[in-house]
Amino acid sequence: AQKVTQAQTEISVVEKEDVTLDCVYETRDTTYYLFWYKQPPSGELVFLIRRNSFDEQNEISGRYSWNFQKSTSSFNFTITASQVVDSAVYFCALSGFPQGGSEKLVFGKGTKLTVNP
Amino acid sequence: NAGVTQTPKFRVLKTGQSMTLLCAQDMNHEYMYWYRQDPGMGLRLIHYSVGEGTTAKGEVPDGYNVSRLKKQNFLLGLESAAPSQTSVYFCASSERRVSGANVLTFGAGSRLTVL
Repeated sequence: AQKVTQAQTEISVVEKEDVTLDCVYETRDTTYYLFWYKQPPSGELVFLIRRNSFDEQNEISGRYSWNFQKSTSSFNFTITASQVVDSAVYFCALSGFPQGGSEKLVFGKGTKLTVNP
Repeated sequence: NAGVTQTPKFRVLKTGQSMTLLCAQDMNHEYMYWYRQDPGMGLRLIHYSVGEGTTAKGEVPDGYNVSRLKKQNFLLGLESAAPSQTSVYFCASSERRVSGANVLTFGAGSRLTVL
């Protein structure tokens, strides 16, 4: 069975601090995909990034970076120099390799990030 | 460029009442999904559809029914609402999988309260 654990329920930082959101996953699939979604206070989920299990290169997009480590089954997300607009709930999700079915993501329970001015 | 539209956005029901949530997408996506979001539980899949006329159960299907009569629409029905179905419901859609996991596009959510 697939499982995603986001151990940090809530994190509170002061603006300009760096913050890392942890994500640990479990799967028996050799090929899988990992995602991060952002849910701002408005409520709509926004896609941030997707990684496949064969690509362990870290990725950086502006102030956002992601560290994928298969050895520890982790896909952590770091926000550098956080801003108030980063305040949101962040979800990590896992999808197994398709086997004739549709996309069925397994979500973690989310980490609520509050960035205070 | 509406994307995924859910109606209604808010609804209050009494126990035992029925209702239908409508999801419409204008991206010609093949796959559609209904999730529910509860505090501390993340998102859980209720039902999904891989194409017009097909539906399948997700993780928490009990108490819900769905229909996909048209490719662009995915309806979620509650025949006899219960307080345990108080939640925020999200519809999502994605393209048919080509090279792997597709990205889901989500609607804005529908907040349902069952008294």
